[in-house]
Amino acid sequence: EVQLVESGGGLVQPGRSLKLSCAASGFTFSNYYMAWVRQAPTKGLEWVAYISTGGGSTYYRDSVKGRFTISRDNAKSTLYLQMDSLRSEDTATYYCTTGASGYWGQGVMVTVSS
Amino acid sequence: DVVMTQTPVSLPVSLGGQASISCRSSQSLVHSNGNTYLHWYLQKPGQSPQLLIYRVSNRFSGVPDRFSGSGSGTDFTLKISRVEPEDLGDYYCLQSTHFPYTFGAGTKLELK
Repeated sequence: EVQLVESGGGLVQPGRSLKLSCAASGFTFSNYYMAWVRQAPTKGLEWVAYISTGGGSTYYRDSVKGRFTISRDNAKSTLYLQMDSLRSEDTATYYCTTGASGYWGQGVMVTVSS
Repeated sequence: DVVMTQTPVSLPVSLGGQASISCRSSQSLVHSNGNTYLHWYLQKPGQSPQLLIYRVSNRFSGVPDRFSGSGSGTDFTLKISRVEPEDLGDYYCLQSTHFPYTFGAGTKLELK
């Protein structure tokens, strides 16, 4: 059974950091590009970051460039999102996903507030 | 960035009826490799999004044939025939031809 399980979310003050993890199982993780997608409360989906299968290529939405870093460890079948200099507008549920390959995690909530 | 204009915002339907959702992109979604990376997702209340259609018209595993996707270039449509209660929720289109990838704003399919 395919599973993507996110962890690492929580309440954090503006300007602080948080690192999300996404543990994959049930498929060959290293064969899939991965992405993070977020959804602010009552809002639509917003694509955040992408990483290629080997990790050599990464892309970000403009609003997180320079603050967020996507990475992966194929040996551990795990995806990461390092989030620095967090802002209130980063408050959202964060999903890891294989995108058009169809697999999504259950999401993890990140709340940025003082 | 590619802007995805999704309409309508809200779509009241009757069970057993038909629904049609449009997604238009601000530039062509034809990739240099000839593929068109336009996908459709459904998000049911309290759940993660689920893939329905990938690359314009391909149904994902387990998706009933009541769902169909069509279109080309910048103009795409998702059609749902014989709407069932489990089809209700928020529908999103996503383009993954150009970075940054972008979603449409969503269409809420609800009962009339």
